[in-house]
Amino acid sequence: AQSVSQHNHHVILSEAASLELGCNYSYGGTVNLFWYVQYPGQHLQLLLKYFSGDPLVKGIKGFEAEFIKSKFSFNLRKPSVQWSDTAEYFCAVNEIAAGNKLTFGGGTRVLVKP
Amino acid sequence: ETGVTQSPTHLIKTRGQQVTLRCSSQSGHNTVSWYQQALGQGPQFIFQYYREEENGRGNFPPRFSGLQFPNYSSELNVNALELDDSALYLCASSPPGITYEQYFGPGTRLTVT
Repeated sequence: AQSVSQHNHHVILSEAASLELGCNYSYGGTVNLFWYVQYPGQHLQLLLKYFSGDPLVKGIKGFEAEFIKSKFSFNLRKPSVQWSDTAEYFCAVNEIAAGNKLTFGGGTRVLVKP
Repeated sequence: ETGVTQSPTHLIKTRGQQVTLRCSSQSGHNTVSWYQQALGQGPQFIFQYYREEENGRGNFPPRFSGLQFPNYSSELNVNALELDDSALYLCASSPPGITYEQYFGPGTRLTVT
């Protein structure tokens, strides 16, 4: 079945550490890619998106993600996390041939210790 | 700019009952999508509405139905509620021409007992 996988369910970091969250998908066709973040008590917010062009995309709050087509991956990175980055992060994929739906990964809970 | 709003925030229903959830899209957005998020999982696509018509549907039974109104707001209706329908229901709206770029509301927490 077509799917989106986020390999880490929970990540615990100290402030100033670097963060990388993995996301892999199984679709063979053209895709649009997204990372969403859900801070405690808040709703899902769009962190960054990739449609085409430069495979390294920059989002809000210092986050970036790299699309590697050959690896079917769209990993999220931040060089130096802050306590305020504590949140749940979701990768989402839109397979263009399948319409406008987003297929989400299971999410990664990130806890940043002060 | 007003974001996506949903009502009610929480709802408790009994198995077999029917429920209606409401969503107002973000200003300037004309497409609405609905998702179900079970505890500990990512959201799952239910369906999308564009120009008051269903524009794509996920793997949900026909007892999940929806409407979109001329002002782009939307309703999600679920008939014959089952215990497994307990979840957070999310509405997302999209700007014209970019229906896969979706902005989410806070959700409605439905509990079926």
